[in-house]
Amino acid sequence: AQRVTQPEKLLSVFKGAPVELKCNYSYSGSPELFWYVQYSRQRLQLLLRHISRESIKGFTADLNKGETSFHLKKPFAQEEDSAMYYCALSGLGAQKLVFGQGTRLTINP
Amino acid sequence: DAGITQSPRHKVTETGTPVTLRCHQTENHRYMYWYRQDPGHGLRLIHYSYGVKDTDKGEVSDGYSVSRSKTEDFLLTLESATSSQTSVYFCAISGRTGQGDAEQYFGPGTRLTVT
Repeated sequence: AQRVTQPEKLLSVFKGAPVELKCNYSYSGSPELFWYVQYSRQRLQLLLRHISRESIKGFTADLNKGETSFHLKKPFAQEEDSAMYYCALSGLGAQKLVFGQGTRLTINP
Repeated sequence: DAGITQSPRHKVTETGTPVTLRCHQTENHRYMYWYRQDPGHGLRLIHYSYGVKDTDKGEVSDGYSVSRSKTEDFLLTLESATSSQTSVYFCAISGRTGQGDAEQYFGPGTRLTVT
């Protein structure tokens, strides 16, 4: 069965500090992993996906198949990073996404 | 963003009444999805569609039905609304016709309150 776990419901860090949002997954095949972000009262939007290997808004995420993780990282948090973050998984070639429970990130000034 | 719209954006209804939410896309994507978003549960898939008149159940489909009579529109119906269906509902699309891509694009959401 496919499962995505985000162990932290809430995460609070100070501006300028590093931030890491954890995501662990369970999937027997080759997964495709995504991070979506939802700013206050806005629609969800794609932040990044592991196959593109891009850095968006200073965020990066590396797929670690050994640890079945896809943690989201940023070296210096900014106040505008405050949002809800969702990790999601799709089986290779599949369409449906399975989402984690989400982590609400708050950046304190 | 303008390629996916949801209506209504907000609705308050009474227990036992039927409710229909509409998702409309102008992007010609093959797949459409309905999710509900609840604190502590994240996003959960209710139903999805893989083509006109082709739909399937998701994780939390009880109490919901869907219809897709044309590519552009995907309707979600609560036959008899209950307070447990108070939630924010998101529509999403993926897979522009001819392309197999799991990336999903989301609508603005509908906030439904069942009293």
